Amino acid sequence: DTGVSQNPRHKITKRGQNVTFRCDPISEHNRLYWYRQTLGQGPEFLTYFQNEAQLEKSRLLSDRFSAERPKGSFSTLEIQRTEQGDSAMYLCASNLPHRNTEAFFGQGTRLTVV
Amino acid sequence: QKEVEQNSGPLSVPEGAIASLNCTYSDRGSQSFFWYRQYSGKSPELIMFIYSNGDKEDGRFTAQLNKASQYVSLLIRDSQPSDSATYLCAVIPGNQFYFGTGTSLTVIP
Repeated sequence: DTGVSQNPRHKITKRGQNVTFRCDPISEHNRLYWYRQTLGQGPEFLTYFQNEAQLEKSRLLSDRFSAERPKGSFSTLEIQRTEQGDSAMYLCASNLPHRNTEAFFGQGTRLTVV
Repeated sequence: QKEVEQNSGPLSVPEGAIASLNCTYSDRGSQSFFWYRQYSGKSPELIMFIYSNGDKEDGRFTAQLNKASQYVSLLIRDSQPSDSATYLCAVIPGNQFYFGTGTSLTVIP
């Protein structure tokens, strides 16, 4: 499978716990995005990387959220001290760095905080 | 003002009809425009992109772009029940994709 891969697909956690998600982009895509989507809304931008550099973070992104892409390949998104409001689908997408190139999404990780 | 506005619907059309989905955007500097389809519980799937004013056709889908009016639309001809999904409009005004809230389409057999 050469598409964008995300793991796990589902995660249920207790409030206050930390969670980490992984995204493996399409191999030749050096730009990687994280989005969050709640029911009835479109995907909301969180952050993006070009290679290993994190170039932009949403101002809406709490300091409980951190993302890394240490070798410019896979990326991880960690949420510390989870809250019920963090329950959402977390989507990863990748594309080539040219300005006008479409992005391809992974299947997402659905987080439920109980 | 949101970057991308869509009518949330729901939009219902009979099987075989043309479904018309609309989107407006706020940033005049936007260069790239995308339509994604999202089935319930699934991730968005790219179906069309358009960069230039005018129409772009791909099978049963036609994307239309009018940069002067800051308007982009998607037409689905010969609608099928399998087209029932939420359609997301996305725009790149800078380095990230901005999405609308999506329009829910139901094709009635």
